[in-house]
Amino acid sequence: NAGVTQTPKFQVLKTGQSMTLQCAQDMNHEYMSWYRQDPGMGLRLIHYSVGAGITDQGEVPNGYNVSRSTTEDFPLRLLSAAPSQTSVYFCASSYESGMYIQYFGAGTRLSVL
Amino acid sequence: KNEVEQSPQNLTAQEGEFITINCSYSVGISALHWLQQHPGGGIVSLFMLSSGKKKHGRLIATINIQEKHSSLHITASHPRDSAVYICAVFGGSNYKLTFGKGTLLTVNP
Repeated sequence: NAGVTQTPKFQVLKTGQSMTLQCAQDMNHEYMSWYRQDPGMGLRLIHYSVGAGITDQGEVPNGYNVSRSTTEDFPLRLLSAAPSQTSVYFCASSYESGMYIQYFGAGTRLSVL
Repeated sequence: KNEVEQSPQNLTAQEGEFITINCSYSVGISALHWLQQHPGGGIVSLFMLSSGKKKHGRLIATINIQEKHSSLHITASHPRDSAVYICAVFGGSNYKLTFGKGTLLTVNP
């Protein structure tokens, strides 16, 4: 039982490049979410999904896209990377919404030059 | 103003001391989470509360819904407890968690 798996762990991009951060969970959780963590700020919600085929925007969605074609996978796409997107990204999942224990991936440290 | 305020922001203790970290929130909630993040590490869920008190080993979490306040206590603190402790609240209808900025705890031997 791997839990929540995020890849890659580290990534360096040039401004304007695109990439996809992968997130997969094997707990059959309906609720999945992406956060970014910046110094001096709390975790901020980028996008979330309450089930396959259903996604919605969080607090800071601009510059990011998501899709949820399966229960297991919730990739986060950076469309055209900007230095302001330098951050640590966490994917999380739970059985159903914030009423349940949240399981986090190990994080992806992204630098945009 | 952040909807979730934690205090203190930083806390330094000696091994063995009793630790209290506080979390206040301004909205009605359905659940409150306490999370732990070691330096450079991932985030682990410690507790999820909707009322009362929970205990796990040396950690105790309490919540007072009327006062919109929760506390995380660590008894007999140890250097391995050094981490950032994060409070997050779930309001129910919008499926979103709101996070505090975290409390950096350093326990010296």
